[in-house]
Amino acid sequence: DAGVIQSPRHEVTEMGQEVTLRCKPISGHDYLFWYRQTMMRGLELLIYFNNNVPIDDSGMPEDRFSAKMPNASFSTLKIQPSEPRDSAVYFCASTFLAGVATGELFFGEGSRLTVL
Amino acid sequence: AQKITQTQPGMFVQEKEAVTLDCTYDTSDQSYGLFWYKQPSSGEMIFLIYQGSYDEQNATEGRYSLNFQKARKSANLVISASQLGDSAMYFCAMREANTGKLIFGQGTTLQVKP
Repeated sequence: DAGVIQSPRHEVTEMGQEVTLRCKPISGHDYLFWYRQTMMRGLELLIYFNNNVPIDDSGMPEDRFSAKMPNASFSTLKIQPSEPRDSAVYFCASTFLAGVATGELFFGEGSRLTVL
Repeated sequence: AQKITQTQPGMFVQEKEAVTLDCTYDTSDQSYGLFWYKQPSSGEMIFLIYQGSYDEQNATEGRYSLNFQKARKSANLVISASQLGDSAMYFCAMREANTGKLIFGQGTTLQVKP
């Protein structure tokens, strides 16, 4: 089975540009999470979806960040405009209901974003 | 607010020895879950082990065991017979009961010496 697929793996962009990160969760998983990892702040939950509906976006840093899940097999995280402090590794993870209870999230390989 | 604390930024262990990675947590919930993840240098996050707050026995998965001390609010990870491939960053995490969100600690970097 294919795991969680994220693209791009690496993105280098200039301040002010729009960045779109993509995620394809594992088929059959109905929960999807976006995390951000930095040296200073560790792993932070940005937003999560259940059955394509955003449940909690309290971790989204500010209005420059937005996330969508138009269907069960695709999600995007958009940053517009990007800033150097957005440089981080962004992880997408998915799981099913039992996985939420046991904490077993299936992570993608991450998208490393560098904003110059 | 719920909080996970990992006080050891880095640890060293000799190959084949056991090592304990510390994790303390803070929550007012009665029902919660505790987890450990491994992040090798390649960057992916790998689920290792889960402990429910009502589980009476400590969780074990192969060479991994979770030393759960509820009164002390600690959930330490014990790795027995360390291997070179165990060198990685290890994250302790807790699930919020109401939301299902996972909150991660800052992580501990483990280096296994040959």
